[in-house]
Amino acid sequence: NAGVMQNPRHLVRRRGQEARLRCSPMKGHSHVYWYRQLPEEGLKFMVYLQKENIIDESGMPKERFSAEFPKEGPSILRIQQVVRGDSAAYFCASSPPVTSTDTQYFGPGTRLTVL
Amino acid sequence: GQQLNQSPQSMFIQEGEDVSMNCTSSSIFNTWLWYKQEPGEGPVLLIALYKAGELTSNGRLTAQFGITRKDSFLNISASIPSDVGIYFCAGRASGGSNYKLTFGKGTLLTVNP
Repeated sequence: NAGVMQNPRHLVRRRGQEARLRCSPMKGHSHVYWYRQLPEEGLKFMVYLQKENIIDESGMPKERFSAEFPKEGPSILRIQQVVRGDSAAYFCASSPPVTSTDTQYFGPGTRLTVL
Repeated sequence: GQQLNQSPQSMFIQEGEDVSMNCTSSSIFNTWLWYKQEPGEGPVLLIALYKAGELTSNGRLTAQFGITRKDSFLNISASIPSDVGIYFCAGRASGGSNYKLTFGKGTLLTVNP
């Protein structure tokens, strides 16, 4: 049973370019979460999605960031017109339908570097 | 918003020693999770706690959910070099946003052979 898959593992972009980060949840999981981790910090919640629905995007910047989880295919976190401050590790997690005892399983992350 | 204070920030220990780290929260959580992150990887779940007072073990690791529901600790006994990594606590509150995990800043553990 494959775990959460993320690609690319490393992404380098110049300021102003677009970054697309992909996440395939664990088999049987229909809930996806994106977190951002700055150097020497813990993970910060960005967005929670179910298939074709954004449930909570309260942790995601209003400008330039968007996320989707289409009916078919991986979840995508998209960052437009990247700036140096966007450099971070972006982690995706997945879970089965939320209950009081579910846990989130994380992928290996995408390390974004903005030059 | 909710804040988690995790301590210590870093630990340098000798192989074979026991380790203890803890997290305290400004608000109540109904779930506590402990993760380990190694360089270049994502967090891996070690222990999940769901009830106040719960004490759970996973091999040499033991974690407890504090009675007040505002704290948790993780102990590692007889440390070995492969225990090196960053340990994160994470909490989840009850209520409408009970899917969100709030993370501590991590404890960096170094084990000298």
